[in-house]
Amino acid sequence: GENVEQHPSTLSVQEGDSAVIKCTYSDSASNYFPWYKQELGKRPQLIIDIRSNVGEKKDQRIAVTLNKTAKHFSLHITETQPEDSAVYFCAATPGTALIFGKGTTLSVSS
Amino acid sequence: GAVVSQHPSRVICKSGTSVKIECRSLDFQATTMFWYRQFPKQSLMLMATSNEGSKATYEQGVEKDKFLINHASLTLSTLTVTSAHPEDSSFYICSATDRGHEQYFGPGTRLTVT
Repeated sequence: GENVEQHPSTLSVQEGDSAVIKCTYSDSASNYFPWYKQELGKRPQLIIDIRSNVGEKKDQRIAVTLNKTAKHFSLHITETQPEDSAVYFCAATPGTALIFGKGTTLSVSS
Repeated sequence: GAVVSQHPSRVICKSGTSVKIECRSLDFQATTMFWYRQFPKQSLMLMATSNEGSKATYEQGVEKDKFLINHASLTLSTLTVTSAHPEDSSFYICSATDRGHEQYFGPGTRLTVT
């Protein structure tokens, strides 16, 4: 089955800096790669997603890149703000259940 | 966007009792629902996948006789934790999909077994 690795587990940046989180997946059949932001005790919130027929997608300060050959995808957050502090999860699926990475705790200090 | 609700949001039960958690899709028909468990400071771990009208598919290591899943309609799935023990204390989250890739998550249920 699918296995998703996520790095780093923690990331601390200064406000205004960029943050990058990387994930790798194992199942070449995976074709959908969402990123979620989760605040303590709350449900995961979809922040951006990418499908396997696209290499890059951007939404304001957030972008995701996908390298199918290398089986890795990354989340890029620019101009970070304190409210970006949360746990971020990547996930992958070949079309059914999502398999999540272990998460990255992002701390943005002002 | 699509809305998924869960009930209850929090439940405390005594060891040995059973607890039922409901997951509802409020404004769409969910062909498939998923149940996840999340321990503190850990990721979401898939427990099972359920399709309306058929038996759930459980992930390896998840006891199907302990975690009973019923998906009786296109808008409702239930998870019953039977003979709960303190190690079952966790955050249980459901999600639902309407044939597309995107999954819509419920707000989660915090289960504490004393």
